Amino acid sequence: KQEVTQIPAALSVPEGENLVLNCSFTDSAIYNLQWFRQDPGKGLTSLLLIQSSQREQTSGRLNASLDKSSGRSTLYIAASQPGDSATYLCAVSQGNTPLVFGKGTRLSVIA
Amino acid sequence: GAVVSQHPSRVICKSGTSVKIECRSLDFQATTMFWYRQFPKQSLMLMATSNEGSKATYEQGVEKDKFLINHASLTLSTLTVTSAHPEDSSFYICSAQGAGNQPQHFGDGTRLSIL
Repeated sequence: KQEVTQIPAALSVPEGENLVLNCSFTDSAIYNLQWFRQDPGKGLTSLLLIQSSQREQTSGRLNASLDKSSGRSTLYIAASQPGDSATYLCAVSQGNTPLVFGKGTRLSVIA
Repeated sequence: GAVVSQHPSRVICKSGTSVKIECRSLDFQATTMFWYRQFPKQSLMLMATSNEGSKATYEQGVEKDKFLINHASLTLSTLTVTSAHPEDSSFYICSAQGAGNQPQHFGDGTRLSIL
């Protein structure tokens, strides 16, 4: 059974700092991996989707990497801003099956 | 991009009431829809998977008679929480997926509060 773990559970950084969020998964047979952002009481916003054949994806200040063989992904946020404060969720897909989510990392960027 | 509309966004009602939540894919055909539940500061827990025109598949521990799911068309799925009680209070999120391993697209969620 696929399990997704995110470390750290919570992170607080000063504005402007670069940071890395970690995600690991137990079964490397995945189709893709997604990073989502969730604001309190809100739904999910997809940030980046990495197909299993890809190594990384970039969008603005965000860069996500995938090492499928070792079961790991990282989300790198450059020059963090207070508006980046949210919970970041990692989820893996194994095809036409439900996404398996990690518990998320709660990020606070302090001005 | 693909849009999924979930309605209502917030429900407050008395214990014993049945509540229906709608999930619509606005610009694509959703062959599969998923319903998740999220408790405070927890991750999303899958409740059930529904394919258009067939019965939903429920995860272990989810009562199918309590959480009725209907997926009658390729753009609409509904979740009805029957005879809701305070312990059913939670955040419910749906997602929709097109055919052929397409990414899932999520609704904005429904905050259900049972008094």
